[in-house]
Amino acid sequence: AQSVTQLGSHVSVSEGALVLLRCNYSSSVPPYLFWYVQYPNQGLQLLLKYTTGATLVKGINGFEAEFKKSETSFHLTKPSAHMSDAAEYFCAVSGGATNKLIFGTGTLLAIQP
Amino acid sequence: GAVVSQHPSWVICKSGTSVKIECRSLDFQATTMFWYRQFPKQSLMLMATSNEGSKATYEQGVEKDKFLINHASLTLSTLTVTSAHPEDSSFYICSASLDRIGYGYTFGSGTRLTVV
Repeated sequence: AQSVTQLGSHVSVSEGALVLLRCNYSSSVPPYLFWYVQYPNQGLQLLLKYTTGATLVKGINGFEAEFKKSETSFHLTKPSAHMSDAAEYFCAVSGGATNKLIFGTGTLLAIQP
Repeated sequence: GAVVSQHPSWVICKSGTSVKIECRSLDFQATTMFWYRQFPKQSLMLMATSNEGSKATYEQGVEKDKFLINHASLTLSTLTVTSAHPEDSSFYICSASLDRIGYGYTFGSGTRLTVV
């Protein structure tokens, strides 16, 4: 079975500050890891994903994440927060016999001016 | 890029009626589609996995007779909420898998269902 834990249901940072959203996973098979962003009443937009290869993954809007197998983590970072980054962020995992995508509980990111 | 269209984006229905939500892959063939339910300020809960030409696989605790899923073609999956009740009010999102091994998924824009 696979699962995802997102630490911190709410994160608030100042505009221009570093954004760090934490994600830890559990998987009995090599995981595929994803970060999605969701704006109110909308679907999900893929920020980035890790499948194989380079462990540091760069995504859209200046976000990046690093796959650390030893720590079973896939934290999302952005060097400088922008007001438009305010949204809900979901970490997800897939892999194994089925290709189901399992989500974490989400982190609501607020940006303070 | 891969686009999934979900319709309607919002619907209000009376208690006891049925509502159908459509999910279409516009520019690719989706052998597998997924249906999620999202409660306010919560995560996405996988309801079922839909494979073209076969019966859907429901997650534990999801009533298959209430949430009817049909995947009649490689580009269309539908979710019908039968005999809807206020507790079925939620945000429903579909997703299409771009491959069989979990490399990529594309999501619809979601449907806000309100049962009155």
